Amino acid sequence: EAGVAQSPRYKIIEKRQSVAFWCNPISGHATLYWYQQILGQGPKLLIQFQNNGVVDDSQLPKDRFSAERLKGVDSTLKIQPAKLEDSAVYLCASSLPASGGDTQYFGPGTRLTVL
Amino acid sequence: AQKVTQAQTEISVVEKEDVTLDCVYETRDTTYYLFWYKQPPSGELVFLIRRNSFDEQNEISGRYSWNFQKSTSSFNFTITASQVVDSAVYFCALSEGGTYKYIFGTGTRLKVLA
Repeated sequence: EAGVAQSPRYKIIEKRQSVAFWCNPISGHATLYWYQQILGQGPKLLIQFQNNGVVDDSQLPKDRFSAERLKGVDSTLKIQPAKLEDSAVYLCASSLPASGGDTQYFGPGTRLTVL
Repeated sequence: AQKVTQAQTEISVVEKEDVTLDCVYETRDTTYYLFWYKQPPSGELVFLIRRNSFDEQNEISGRYSWNFQKSTSSFNFTITASQVVDSAVYFCALSEGGTYKYIFGTGTRLKVLA
């Protein structure tokens, strides 16, 4: 069974530029998550989708971050404009329909460096 | 409020030594789930174990074992006869019943020296 796919693996941009990350979840997983992991910290949830609807985006900086999951499969996370503090690894995860305690499976992440 | 504490920032051991990674959690819920993930240098979080709050049985999987104690709110992870390939950052996470959210600890970096 194929795991969670993410691209690109690495991205370097200048501050104030825009960037987009792509995620394809495990087949059949209705729930998709985006996390931000700053160096030396645990992952922090940015947004959760159930199929193509947003369940929780309370920690997403909506003035610069946006995410979509058209057709309830793959998803895109965008940052515009980027700030230095956005340098982090962006992890995508997926799980079966969330009923509490579902195991999340993670992709390899995208390492973003903002100069 | 829910919280996960991994007090050990970094541990170094020599190959074949046993090592225990500590995880202490806080929650007001009676139904919750605990997880351990491994993050090797490649960056991907690899699922190791899931335990619900009603199952306090310890678990063993090969060289890995987990000790869940509700009385002390701890879910510790032991690697027996450590190997260089065990070198990684290990995260403990908590999810309260009825929610999907994981709260991660800050991780413990394990270095196994040959």
